[in-house]
Amino acid sequence: DAGVIQSPRHEVTEMGQEVTLRCKPISGHNSLFWYRQTMMRGLELLIYFNNNVPIDDSGMPEDRFSAKMPNASFSTLKIQPSEPRDSAVYFCASSPSGTLFGGELFFGEGSRLTVL
Amino acid sequence: AQKVTQAQTEISVVEKEDVTLDCVYETRDTTYYLFWYKQPPSGELVFLIRRNSFDEQNEISGRYSWNFQKSTSSFNFTITASQVVDSAVYFCALSSDKIIFGKGTRLHILP
Repeated sequence: DAGVIQSPRHEVTEMGQEVTLRCKPISGHNSLFWYRQTMMRGLELLIYFNNNVPIDDSGMPEDRFSAKMPNASFSTLKIQPSEPRDSAVYFCASSPSGTLFGGELFFGEGSRLTVL
Repeated sequence: AQKVTQAQTEISVVEKEDVTLDCVYETRDTTYYLFWYKQPPSGELVFLIRRNSFDEQNEISGRYSWNFQKSTSSFNFTITASQVVDSAVYFCALSSDKIIFGKGTRLHILP
């Protein structure tokens, strides 16, 4: 069974450009999470969805970040315009149905973003 | 406020030694979950274990064991007879109304 699939694996872009990261969760999982990982701040929860509905986006750094989940099998995280401080590894994770925060997270391989 | 502290930033041990990774958490919730995840050099985080706040039984899985003590708000992870393949960053996480990760402990197993 396929795991969480993220694309692209690596993205290098210039400051000011729009970046779109994509995620396909595991089929049947009801919850989807976007995390950002940096050396300084560790793993930060940006936003999470339950049944395709955004539940809490308080972790999104600023208005330049937006996330959508148009259906149960696809989510995007967009940064517009991108800045060098957005450079990080962005992880998508999904979790099976049940308690929203009680299930284990299944992580994708991450998208490494470098903004020059 | 919720908090997870992994005081050990980096640990190095020689292969076959036992090693314990510490995790201390803070929460006011009575119902919560604790997790450990492994992040090998490949980068993908892998789930290792989950415990709910009402289950203080220790658990053993092969060379891995976990010690959950509510009295000290700790959920420590021990690897017995460590192997080079255990080299990774290990994260402890706390979950109630949000999932909070510790900063991780980088474990080096030296051959």
